[in-house]
Amino acid sequence: DVKVTQSSRYLVKRTGEKVFLECVQDMDHENMFWYRQDPGLGLRLIYFSYDVKMKEKGDIPEGYSVSREKKERFSLILESASTNQTSMYLCASSTPGGPELFFGEGSRLTVL
Amino acid sequence: KQEVTQIPAALSVPEGENLVLNCSFTDSAIYNLQWFRQDPGKGLTSLLLIQSSQREQTSGRLNASLDKSSGRSTLYIAASQPGDSATYLCAVKGGSQGNLIFGKGTKLSVKP
Repeated sequence: DVKVTQSSRYLVKRTGEKVFLECVQDMDHENMFWYRQDPGLGLRLIYFSYDVKMKEKGDIPEGYSVSREKKERFSLILESASTNQTSMYLCASSTPGGPELFFGEGSRLTVL
Repeated sequence: KQEVTQIPAALSVPEGENLVLNCSFTDSAIYNLQWFRQDPGKGLTSLLLIQSSQREQTSGRLNASLDKSSGRSTLYIAASQPGDSATYLCAVKGGSQGNLIFGKGTKLSVKP
């Protein structure tokens, strides 16, 4: 089975802190994605990557950056966390053109 | 721009009922459609995937159908159980390298 692991399930940070959310997948997938999920807004794509060192902006990239130094790891970075970034963050992976998307368990971030 | 709508937003049924969840999309030029399940505070689990050339897919008590021309998909759950209680999301992919566009989900509650 594909396993997508998000290292932190729950985080509480202060406004202005730098936040790293880590995601690792064990199935050698080329494609990786970061979404945020908010009540009433559904899932929105923040950034995605089709290969190592590659990154593409999704629908809501503002306030975020990403890093993909190794194929299995895709990190989401909040340079200066703000309260409106309080959300559930979901990482996913797939093969190129692969039909299915596999998700991690999510990281619930609260910014105070 | 593709939009995905799921109606109803919430549904409560007694155990044992057969039920249908609806998903509609505005652009019929889709690559595939995927149904997911999400338990509270958790990530998404893929249930069924229907390629654009297919009409339906079945897995156990679940059956998903796709009518591209009318922009609709349904998820049929037979003999519902309390363990089926979760939020069900559908998502469409516009092309082999396209990103998934998600609906906001239907929250299902199955009462014992």
